[in-house]
Amino acid sequence: AAGVIQSPRHLIKEKRETATLKCYPIPRHDTVYWYQQGPGQDPQFLISFYEKMQSDKGSIPDRFSAQQFSDYHSELNMSSLELGDSALYFCASATAQGRGEKLFFGSGTQLSVL
Amino acid sequence: LAKTTQPISMDSYEGQEVNITCSHNNIATNDYITWYQQFPSQGPRFIIQGYKTKVTNEVASLFIPADRKSSTLSLPRVSLSDTAVYYCLVSLTGTASKLTFGTGTRLQVTL
Repeated sequence: AAGVIQSPRHLIKEKRETATLKCYPIPRHDTVYWYQQGPGQDPQFLISFYEKMQSDKGSIPDRFSAQQFSDYHSELNMSSLELGDSALYFCASATAQGRGEKLFFGSGTQLSVL
Repeated sequence: LAKTTQPISMDSYEGQEVNITCSHNNIATNDYITWYQQFPSQGPRFIIQGYKTKVTNEVASLFIPADRKSSTLSLPRVSLSDTAVYYCLVSLTGTASKLTFGTGTRLQVTL
């Protein structure tokens, strides 16, 4: 079965550079979530999209932006990178089926800011 | 949004049953309870979801009392490979709302 695909798997950037992370949800999933997870920490909700519209925002810095495109894939754009942005970034997709959201996570993008 | 509280860590021997309880005192009427498992450097993986009473699948059981203010994930006969972090989330259906992970339970299984 198709899973959530994230690219790249690893990314190394310098401070003040920009980065773009991509997420391809499971086909027919209309919802995308982004999470940031630092070493030894729990996943922190960043932002979510439903049917290509932003649904909710969490602790996402103003330097970050995201969108969901017409094909439902999503991109997380990160600018003016800081050392503290180094983390594992997960994307998850879901589809509302009249029940609680059941998230399917990708393998994540490991971002290292040097 | 319902806040969840779980034990920070648990230890178990291989072959034992493990029960992890999550408190969600302000759960709303339409909220579902979902549990995820996460291994290091991997994305969380769905384990089980329920609304009330008991749900069982091939890997776990979920017990939810009538007041729904808590839930218990039961892992029968754990193995070393069940060593992971377990999270419970409370989610409102179909809203793509802020699904917040609380502090998960780090389960360590040993021989």
